[in-house]
Amino acid sequence: GQQLNQSPQSMFIQEGEDVSMNCTSSSIFNTWLWYKQDPGEGPVLLIALYKAGELTSNGRLTAQFGITRKDSFLNISASIPSDVGIYFCAGQPKKTSYDKVIFGPGTSLSVIP
Amino acid sequence: SAVISQKPSRDICQRGTSLTIQCQVDSQVTMMFWYRQQPGQSLTLIATANQGSEATYESGFVIDKFPISRPNLTFSTLTVSNMSPEDSSIYLCSAGGAYYEQYFGPGTRLTVT
Repeated sequence: GQQLNQSPQSMFIQEGEDVSMNCTSSSIFNTWLWYKQDPGEGPVLLIALYKAGELTSNGRLTAQFGITRKDSFLNISASIPSDVGIYFCAGQPKKTSYDKVIFGPGTSLSVIP
Repeated sequence: SAVISQKPSRDICQRGTSLTIQCQVDSQVTMMFWYRQQPGQSLTLIATANQGSEATYESGFVIDKFPISRPNLTFSTLTVSNMSPEDSSIYLCSAGGAYYEQYFGPGTRLTVT
């Protein structure tokens, strides 16, 4: 079935640094979503992308829907300690016959004050 | 957005027993989903809870093991039946107006001994 790959698997960065992570698939996706999960909580939707090439920001977060429709990128500028968590990409595969999304394995972000 | 609550937040159960997890949404929603998440892992969709009809299950999940109810547009339950230690996991409910705008509950942490 369809799978999503996320890289890096984990990141350790200094507070104030910028962060880049990506999500790739071997198949085309209709929609890309980025979620953040804090320990002991459910994931929270950060950004949703609906069209190839789309670039969307949410505060210090910016995400892009790749032109090939097989990837997406998330950037965080000027990281702060509360950015710590696991970032999941998710998407709807093009060939899905009904409404559902699949989730990537996640990127764990640690911010060193 | 929607606010999702789940009960219980955690439980420790004996093998062979069943546990029913409740998911309550603070507003009427079209779509509700149930996911399983092993600690430190990604989310795996169990089923889509359809109001007024049977749930749609993903490959590897069956109704006898994970019966789901959705009596109205704000509530759903997931039962984990005849539990074994392999069922120990975090079970998450999500809801929203569309598959690409899912809001998650805090999760139910289940340990089967």
